[in-house]
Amino acid sequence: GAGVSQSPRYKVAKRGQDVALRCDPISGHVSLFWYQQALGQGPEFLTYFQNEAQLDKSGLPSDRFFAERPEGSVSTLKIQRTQQEDSAVYLCASSFRSGAGGYEQYFGPGTRLTVT
Amino acid sequence: AQSVTQPDIHITVSEGASLELRCNYSYGATPYLFWYVQSPGQGLQLLLKYFSGDTLVQGIKGFEAEFKRSQSSFNLRKPSVHWSDAAEYFCAVGLTNNAGNMLTFGGGTRLMVKP
Repeated sequence: GAGVSQSPRYKVAKRGQDVALRCDPISGHVSLFWYQQALGQGPEFLTYFQNEAQLDKSGLPSDRFFAERPEGSVSTLKIQRTQQEDSAVYLCASSFRSGAGGYEQYFGPGTRLTVT
Repeated sequence: AQSVTQPDIHITVSEGASLELRCNYSYGATPYLFWYVQSPGQGLQLLLKYFSGDTLVQGIKGFEAEFKRSQSSFNLRKPSVHWSDAAEYFCAVGLTNNAGNMLTFGGGTRLMVKP
């Protein structure tokens, strides 16, 4: 079946612009995560949704970052007044409970954001 | 707070040679452990996971990993590397077995394969 999709795949923004990154999770997955991956580093957790409820946003680096999932499916990560330090790959993952008894996360291809 | 360390930033092996990528974690209880692979421009693909039970787990593409509680390690192995295995590998730990299981990742190991 279809995996997690993200759009756009690449985004170039001028410093100070607002951007919106979209994630379409795997159908039926109630859990959705956003991660930020800086160049040469591992992904870092940003925020987590269960259905439409944002249950954890402890990883959002500043109040310029905002995420929503209004109907419990598609999610949007919005960054206001982008700064150069926001340049990174933004990964979305959706999760389900596997037959082995634990939860597995499946990742999309990411959106590479470059702020100039 | 939990942490994951991948001591080797880069590893180069010859095609056909064996491979071991190291992963150490810091956490007070038994974690849920994962290995992911990331090819250039791609997202993360799950190779294998450990939740409980047998400490030697098998994954896709011929990879396996062994959980060693006494060493707080979860090293990834493959007996014979193929050129297509060249990629970045990430070890990750999850603390809980519920739907909100956020992952903490190591810094990654870049694998290069010599012909």
